[in-house]
Amino acid sequence: DVKVTQSSRYLVKRTGEKVFLECVQDMDHENMFWYRQDPGLGLRLIYFSYDVKMKEKGDIPEGYSVSREKKERFSLILESASTNQTSMYLCASTPLDRNNSPLHFGNGTRLTVT
Amino acid sequence: AQSVTQLGSHVSVSEGALVLLRCNYSSSVPPYLFWYVQYPNQGLQLLLKYTTGATLVKGINGFEAEFKKSETSFHLTKPSAHMSDAAEYFCAVSDLGNEKLTFGTGTRLTIIP
Repeated sequence: DVKVTQSSRYLVKRTGEKVFLECVQDMDHENMFWYRQDPGLGLRLIYFSYDVKMKEKGDIPEGYSVSREKKERFSLILESASTNQTSMYLCASTPLDRNNSPLHFGNGTRLTVT
Repeated sequence: AQSVTQLGSHVSVSEGALVLLRCNYSSSVPPYLFWYVQYPNQGLQLLLKYTTGATLVKGINGFEAEFKKSETSFHLTKPSAHMSDAAEYFCAVSDLGNEKLTFGTGTRLTIIP
């Protein structure tokens, strides 16, 4: 089974802090994604990556950046955390043959910014 | 641009009753359609998907969905609800496979004993 692991289940950070959310997948998937999930808004794509050192903006990239230095790891960075970034963050991965492969999700990181 | 509308943010059904969760989409090209389920404190997992071919798609746990192009719908059904079906369900659309999947706002399903 594919495993997508998010390093923290819960995080509490202060406004203005730099925050790193880490995601690791163990199935050699090329594609990785970061979503945020908010009640009433569903999941919204922040960034995705097709390969090492490659990244593409999703629908709501403002206030975020990403890093993919190794194929298995995709990091989401909040350069200066703000209270409106309090949310559930979900990482997902899929192989290159994405037409026939579903997204595999991690269990999420619930971030609270105070 | 593609979009998804899920009618009803909360749906309650009695155990043993029919489950019907509604999803309508818009897409400028033939869509790929998905239903995902999220159990409490977990990530999302795929229930079923439609890409091409047969329009009635069967998924896990007894769920199925029918792609109706004329109605731009992809409603999720299960003939008989079980307590373990209580979860949040998300419909999603993509016109490029799994890249940039667009999700609906979700429907929380409650099962009444």
